[in-house]
Amino acid sequence: KAGVTQTPRYLIKTRGQQVTLSCSPISGHRSVSWYQQTPGQGLQFLFEYFSETQRNKGNFPGRFSGRQFSNSRSEMNVSTLELGDSALYLCASSVADGGSGNTIYFGEGSWLTVV
Amino acid sequence: AQTVTQSQPEMSVQEAETVTLSCTYDTSENNYYLFWYKQPPSRQMILVIRQEAYKQQNATENRFSVNFQKAAKSFSLKISDSQLGDTAMYFCAFMKQTDKLIFGTGTRLQVFP
Repeated sequence: KAGVTQTPRYLIKTRGQQVTLSCSPISGHRSVSWYQQTPGQGLQFLFEYFSETQRNKGNFPGRFSGRQFSNSRSEMNVSTLELGDSALYLCASSVADGGSGNTIYFGEGSWLTVV
Repeated sequence: AQTVTQSQPEMSVQEAETVTLSCTYDTSENNYYLFWYKQPPSRQMILVIRQEAYKQQNATENRFSVNFQKAAKSFSLKISDSQLGDTAMYFCAFMKQTDKLIFGTGTRLQVFP
């Protein structure tokens, strides 16, 4: 079974631009969540989608948005990039059935550098 | 709000020895999940072990085991027979039912030959 797949793995953007990151969850997983990891703030939750609906949202500005498609694949978008958005963005998926499927599995991450 | 605290920023252990990483958390929930994740230099977050709060029995996965003390809100990870490949950042994480993961700040573990 393939794991969580994130693309692109590495990217460099200029301040003010926007970026879209993609995530394909493990087959059968309906929940996709996104986390930002930085040296200063650690691992922070961005948002979670379940059946194409945003179910949870972290404390990030509106420049950060996401969506989930009917095949459970997800994208996150960051507009008007700032230097502080440079981070490792981790996507994770789970079955999210409220029981033993609550284990969350992570992808390898997308490294974003804003210059 | 829930919080997770890892009070050991760095730890080291000799190969084949045993090491214990500490984690405490704060919550008013009764049903929740606790996890230990490993993040090697590749930065992929790898699940090490999980514990359901309603289970009194401590979880084990091969060389990895936890000491879950619900009343004390403590969730430590014991790594037995440490191997060089265990060198990584270890994150303790808390999750309510179908909710987000709340991570601690991590413990950097170095295994020496």
